[in-house]
Amino acid sequence: KQEVTQIPAALSVPEGENLVLNCSFTDSAIYNLQWFRQDPGKGLTSLLLIQSSQREQTSGRLNASLDKSSGRSTLYIAASQPGDSATYLCAVPGSQGNLIFGKGTKLSVKP
Amino acid sequence: DTAVSQTPKYLVTQMGNDKSIKCEQNLGHDTMYWYKQDSKKFLKIMFSYNNKELIINETVPNRFSPKSPDKAHLNLHINSLELGDSAVYFCASSFARSTDTQYFGPGTRLTVL
Repeated sequence: KQEVTQIPAALSVPEGENLVLNCSFTDSAIYNLQWFRQDPGKGLTSLLLIQSSQREQTSGRLNASLDKSSGRSTLYIAASQPGDSATYLCAVPGSQGNLIFGKGTKLSVKP
Repeated sequence: DTAVSQTPKYLVTQMGNDKSIKCEQNLGHDTMYWYKQDSKKFLKIMFSYNNKELIINETVPNRFSPKSPDKAHLNLHINSLELGDSAVYFCASSFARSTDTQYFGPGTRLTVL
């Protein structure tokens, strides 16, 4: 049974720092991995989707990597800003297409 | 031009009542989902429909009944609401199972008193 784990559960950094969020999954037979952002009281915004054949994806200051064989993904945020404060979730598809989520990393970027 | 919309955004009701949450997507997707986010913020699948057919029905009380009148709509009806049903319910949609980005609605915060 696929399980997704995110470390750390919470992270507080000063503005301008580069940071890394970690995601691990137990079953490496995945089609893709998706990173989401959730702001308090809001829905989920898709940030990046990495297909199983890809090693990384970039969008602006965000870079996500995927190592299927080791069951790991990282989300790198460069030059963090207070507006990056949110909960970041990673998810992989289950056998029937539904997403299996980690519990998220709550990021706080202090001005 | 909202991609995935849900109504209502907030729902406050008494125990024992029956309520419905509606979801619509205008992306032309053929698969739609309901997820539940509990008080600890953990998101978990409840149901999935592909072309109006139920394909996932996780361990959810049968008080919860999804209905898909067409590909663009997936509604969630809940009977005999209980305190433990309080959560945020998210609708999502995608083109194909497993391989495509899922797009989420804004969520419906259900509070059962």
